[in-house]
Amino acid sequence: DGGITQSPKYLFRKEGQNVTLSCEQNLNHDAMYWYRQDPGQGLRLIYYSQIVNDFQKGDIAEGYSVSREKKESFPLTVTSAQKNPTAFYLCASSVAGGRYTQYFGPGTRLTVL
Amino acid sequence: AQKITQTQPGMFVQEKEAVTLDCTYDTSDPSYGLFWYKQPSSGEMIFLIYQGSYDQQNATEGRYSLNFQKARKSANLVISASQLGDSAMYFCAMIPRRRIQGAQKLVFGQGTRLTINP
Repeated sequence: DGGITQSPKYLFRKEGQNVTLSCEQNLNHDAMYWYRQDPGQGLRLIYYSQIVNDFQKGDIAEGYSVSREKKESFPLTVTSAQKNPTAFYLCASSVAGGRYTQYFGPGTRLTVL
Repeated sequence: AQKITQTQPGMFVQEKEAVTLDCTYDTSDPSYGLFWYKQPSSGEMIFLIYQGSYDQQNATEGRYSLNFQKARKSANLVISASQLGDSAMYFCAMIPRRRIQGAQKLVFGQGTRLTINP
């Protein structure tokens, strides 16, 4: 089955620690995205990537970093510089054309203790 | 810049009734796409339906239809014959459709929480 996987489902972090969230897709999509969702809110774009070894900042990139070494993978690192990292993180992918419909993974819920 | 407005924070509907979720948008792009996503309590965003700004007909996908009124900049989602499993958050979103291929930023509204009562 084609789809997007994210791991872990739940993640707990102590203040001052960096953590990395995994996102893998087997849809053969060129474009991948990371969003953050706070309770009762819509999604906000953190980073996106159009192609391997290329990525751009979204609307709320401060305190986050990404890499895109493989087409299938787009990991997100939440650094200690992110002041309020507790949130739900969603990864998505799309073809780089046409309708640009984005398909989402199941999400990772990050809690800072 | 694009903006999506969903004015209904919550809606309560009886099972089997039809429901309309409102969405208005603002953009200066001549070509754009409009999406609706469903987010159940599990958290995953599920794509429901797409409408292109130049599409002549309103989009339909099973029980879902999109009431697209371009002049009013509205893209309301209509769910016919609602079911208990339709209870979820619903998000309207839009994307510019520009000539340059590549990743495009999807802009989301704040969402509407729909509750279907038995």
